[in-house]
Amino acid sequence: NAGVMQNPRHLVRRRGQEARLRCSPMKGHSHVYWYRQLPEEGLKFMVYLQKENIIDESGMPKERFSAEFPKEGPSILRIQQVVRGDSAAYFCASSPPAGGNYNEQFFGPGTRLTVL
Amino acid sequence: AQRVTQPEKLLSVFKGAPVELKCNYSYSGSPELFWYVQYSRQRLQLLLRHISRESIKGFTADLNKGETSFHLKKPFAQEEDSAMYYCALGNAGNMLTFGGGTRLMVKP
Repeated sequence: NAGVMQNPRHLVRRRGQEARLRCSPMKGHSHVYWYRQLPEEGLKFMVYLQKENIIDESGMPKERFSAEFPKEGPSILRIQQVVRGDSAAYFCASSPPAGGNYNEQFFGPGTRLTVL
Repeated sequence: AQRVTQPEKLLSVFKGAPVELKCNYSYSGSPELFWYVQYSRQRLQLLLRHISRESIKGFTADLNKGETSFHLKKPFAQEEDSAMYYCALGNAGNMLTFGGGTRLMVKP
């Protein structure tokens, strides 16, 4: 099991462009989470998805950000019209189907987004 | 609202010295607390969780509901313990709230 995969590992965009970040969960995991880490800060929850469903998007900025986890393929975090303040490390985590108690989340290596 | 505070951004100790990384939380429900660690050039990984009440790599953490704390302790630090440590709070919705992290540096 290769673990949670994220690509690209580094992404450079100019202001106004779109950024697409991909996350492939661990095999057998149906839950995906996205976190953002701004410089010198901790990880902040953005969104929690299951296949074809957004469960909790309370941490997502209201505009320009969207996330999906289709039936087939990786989860995508999409940032439209990027601004310099979007520069951060974006981490994806996955967990197996919930079984009552909290399930451990396994993290990917992150995508470092730089907006010029 | 839930919140996790790690008051120290950097903690530097000598090898063999005791280590305590502080974590305080606020949460209205019954908390589930975790410590995650990120070694250099590696991904974030779970170190321990309070419900397991186990010791991992010599580290322990006790949940103190009265003081709303979950400090991470190790009696004798090793150089290989140098890493970023994050305290995290899990809620019923499976979301993690992270503290700002503490960088532990263990000097030889």
